[in-house]
Amino acid sequence: ETGVTQSPTHLIKTRGQQVTLRCSSQSGHNTVSWYQQALGQGPQFIFQYYREEENGRGNFPPRFSGLQFPNYSSELNVNALELDDSALYLCASSRDSGNSPLHFGNGTRLTVT
Amino acid sequence: TQLLEQSPQFLSIQEGENLTVYCNSSSVFSSLQWYRQEPGEGPVLLVTVVTGGEVKKLKRLTFQFGDARKDSSLHITAAQPGDTGLYLCAGNRVGSGNTGKLIFGQGTTLQVKP
Repeated sequence: ETGVTQSPTHLIKTRGQQVTLRCSSQSGHNTVSWYQQALGQGPQFIFQYYREEENGRGNFPPRFSGLQFPNYSSELNVNALELDDSALYLCASSRDSGNSPLHFGNGTRLTVT
Repeated sequence: TQLLEQSPQFLSIQEGENLTVYCNSSSVFSSLQWYRQEPGEGPVLLVTVVTGGEVKKLKRLTFQFGDARKDSSLHITAAQPGDTGLYLCAGNRVGSGNTGKLIFGQGTTLQVKP
């Protein structure tokens, strides 16, 4: 089965710009969660999408938004980029919104200059 | 304030040594998970513990969930260079709904020298 794939792998943006990160969930998975991992830190939960609707959100401002498509793939959009947004953005998919294990992609490394 | 505190944050040991990584909280968790992450990759799930006092073994790795479900430990016996990586504990707080909304510790970077 195909695992979780994220694109692009690396991205450099300028402060104030907007960025869209993409995630294809693992085959058979309908739930996608996004995490931000700053250098030297553990991942922090941004939000989760289940059946194309946001199903929970962490402590991130509204300029972090997302979408889930009918094929369960997902996008993370960040507006008005700040230097502190530089991080590894991880997408994880699961079979459902219950207690199924998370399968992580390899992330997108975003650098904001 | 970190909800899940991992210790130590860094560990450098020789091949063959034993080690323990701790994950502590003042909150109760419905389950705790341990992940291993290598540079340039996403975290990979090692184990999930759900019952207070539970002990799980995965080859040379032993995982324990505290009786009160507030803490967990990972013990590695006879560490090997292939064990090198970032070890993360993560949990679902009671009432949080589902495993997608995990709270992670800050991680323990383990280096095992040959």
